[in-house]
Amino acid sequence: GNSVTQMEGPVTLSEEAFLTINCTYTATGYPSLFWYVQYPGEGLQLLLKATKADDKGSNKGFEATYRKETTSFHLEKGSVQVSDSAVYFCALTSGTYKYIFGTGTRLKVLA
Amino acid sequence: DAGVIQSPRHEVTEMGQEVTLRCKPISGHDYLFWYRQTMMRGLELLIYFNNNVPIDDSGMPEDRFSAKMPNASFSTLKIQPSEPRDSAVYFCASISGRQGGTGGNEQFFGPGTRLTVL
Repeated sequence: GNSVTQMEGPVTLSEEAFLTINCTYTATGYPSLFWYVQYPGEGLQLLLKATKADDKGSNKGFEATYRKETTSFHLEKGSVQVSDSAVYFCALTSGTYKYIFGTGTRLKVLA
Repeated sequence: DAGVIQSPRHEVTEMGQEVTLRCKPISGHDYLFWYRQTMMRGLELLIYFNNNVPIDDSGMPEDRFSAKMPNASFSTLKIQPSEPRDSAVYFCASISGRQGGTGGNEQFFGPGTRLTVL
C-alpha cells in the first residue's frame, strides 16, 4: 500500500541554520506530494506541494523537489527562524483524496 | 471564508459519558475527513465522506465511535461510551474535489477539539 516515511524528530537548530527534513514515499501510480505544517495549538496547514515528477514546491523560503527516481520529497530551508518551530508532516495522495501522512517531525529553532 | 469550524474547542468529560464533536466544512467542499491526533499514535484518519456519504471508515477504532454527515454543511463524530484512552485532539478537514485533478487538492483543517476523558 501507499506509505510515507519521514525522519524522526525532534530536530533542534540554531537560528539561521540550514534545514533538511527527509521524506520518502511508496505509492502506486503518480502521487501528489505535500508538506503540511502544524504550529502549536493549531490544525495542519499546507506549506507546499508538487503534483508531478521534477516539480519544485516552494513557500515562505521552504522548498521541496519531487524526485521520482529516489521516491523522495525532502523539505529544505536555507535559514530557519524561531517562528519556524512547528511540526512538519510529509503526505501524499494517489488517485483519491485520501491523504497518507507521515508521522511528523518536530522542529525547534533556538534564538 | 471562515474556514473549517469545529466545536467545542475543548471537552472534558467522565468515562462512560457520550461525547459529540461537531464540524462545519468550508462551503462548497465535497470531501470531509475526521482525524485523531495523539502523542503515541500520531495523526490517524478515522473516516472520510464524499458528498455526505461515508467512503472509508476503516480507521474508526471500534463500535463506540460513529460519524454522520446529514448534510453538506455539518458532520458529527460521536463516542459512546467514552474511555480515558479516547483522550486526544480530533481534527476535521475538508477538500474541494470539484476542481478536478487527481488528488492534488489542498486539505483544509479545522482548529481541532481537545478531548479529555477522566
